[in-house]
Amino acid sequence: EVQLLESGGGLVQPGGSLRLSCAASGFTFNNYAMSWVRQAPGKGLQWVSSITASGGSTWYADSMKGRFTVSRDNSESTLNLQVNSLRAEDTAVYYCAKGEPGNSYGAPQIWGQGTLVTVSS
Amino acid sequence: QAVVTQEPSVTVSPGGTVTLTCGSSTGPVTSGHYPYWFQQKPGQVPRTLIYDTYKKHSWTPARFSGSLLGGKAALTLSGAQPEDEADYYCLLSYVGPGVFGGGTRLTVL
Repeated sequence: EVQLLESGGGLVQPGGSLRLSCAASGFTFNNYAMSWVRQAPGKGLQWVSSITASGGSTWYADSMKGRFTVSRDNSESTLNLQVNSLRAEDTAVYYCAKGEPGNSYGAPQIWGQGTLVTVSS
Repeated sequence: QAVVTQEPSVTVSPGGTVTLTCGSSTGPVTSGHYPYWFQQKPGQVPRTLIYDTYKKHSWTPARFSGSLLGGKAALTLSGAQPEDEADYYCLLSYVGPGVFGGGTRLTVL
């Protein structure tokens, strides 16, 4: 069974940083692109970032470029998202998603349970 | 960045049929946008229903189907059930990762 377990969320002050992680199991991690998608309270879904299976290519939503960094450790089956210079509008549940087979950009097939990031003073 | 549009809310009667649509600000939606559809029930994690316009997962109920209709991506629900009440999001791919639509709240009433 595919499992994605996010961690690292919490309460952080504006301008602060967090490192989100996603532990994957139940599939051959290094065969799939992965993504982060977020959802602000009461709002819709927003694509945050994606990384190819090898980790050789990454993509970011425009509002996150320069502040967020996605990475993966294929030896540990872990996906990471370093989030810096956080703003109130970054408050959201951050979902880790396993990419659809054959989709280089990691369009979501399976979703994790999410981790809540709250940016507030 | 492209804007992806969905109906904000739609109501369907139990047992009825309804079609949700997903449009793009850049022009007609085609199979090259690889449309996806996701379902999110209140308090739950999103679930992927449809990918690449019409393809289903093993967990996708047979009453859901995807297509292209009138220059938009479409999700049709045939024989709506009370448990289908949820938010539905589409995703269209452009150059690189995709853009989500704003979502449609489907009420079964």
